[in-house]
Amino acid sequence: KNQVEQSPQSLIILEGKNCTLQCNYTVSPFSNLRWYKQDTGRGPVSLTIMTFSENTKSNGRYTATLDADTKQSSLHITASQLSDSASYICVVSQKGSTLGRLYFGRGTQLTVWP
Amino acid sequence: DAGVTQSPTHLIKTRGQQVTLRCSPISGHKSVSWYQQVLGQGPQFIFQYYEKEERGRGNFPDRFSARQFPNYSSELNVNALLLGDSALYLCASSRSYGRANETQYFGPGTRLLVL
Repeated sequence: KNQVEQSPQSLIILEGKNCTLQCNYTVSPFSNLRWYKQDTGRGPVSLTIMTFSENTKSNGRYTATLDADTKQSSLHITASQLSDSASYICVVSQKGSTLGRLYFGRGTQLTVWP
Repeated sequence: DAGVTQSPTHLIKTRGQQVTLRCSPISGHKSVSWYQQVLGQGPQFIFQYYEKEERGRGNFPDRFSARQFPNYSSELNVNALLLGDSALYLCASSRSYGRANETQYFGPGTRLLVL
């Protein structure tokens, strides 16, 4: 069964600290993995996208890693800011599938406190 | 440039009623996908349309239907509403169909509450 599991479910950190969010997937065959940021009541916004051959990709203070052998990905946020408070969703695309058939994780709810 | 727009932003309906949600994609985007996001869960794929044709359908009952217009905007219709239909309905657009590396851009969503 194609699934995407994220951990932790929720996380609270202090402003300025770093954190790492995890994503494990069983989607096969794998095409690519995306991390999205979703503010409360808003639509998700793409942070990174990685294909099978990429193992690290950065977008400002966000760095995503991918281990296609173990089917694991992580999103590392450095020097967190209050505006980083949001849900972070891991999305895996299956090779050969239509664009709309993406497998979404439930998200990690990150709260950054001052 | 305007992003993906959806209307209305919020909606309250009662069980058994019908609802129509609207989405306008980013200019130049020809593919529109609809997702349902129940509170605390990730989005679930409902439909994808490209060039006015249905290209994909998720595991949703026939009460859910959609269409895409010549200007690439789209409507999602839900008949005989159930309490479980309460969710954030997201629309996403992309330039084309079938290119898995292409990014989908999401709208702000329509929050539907069924009483």
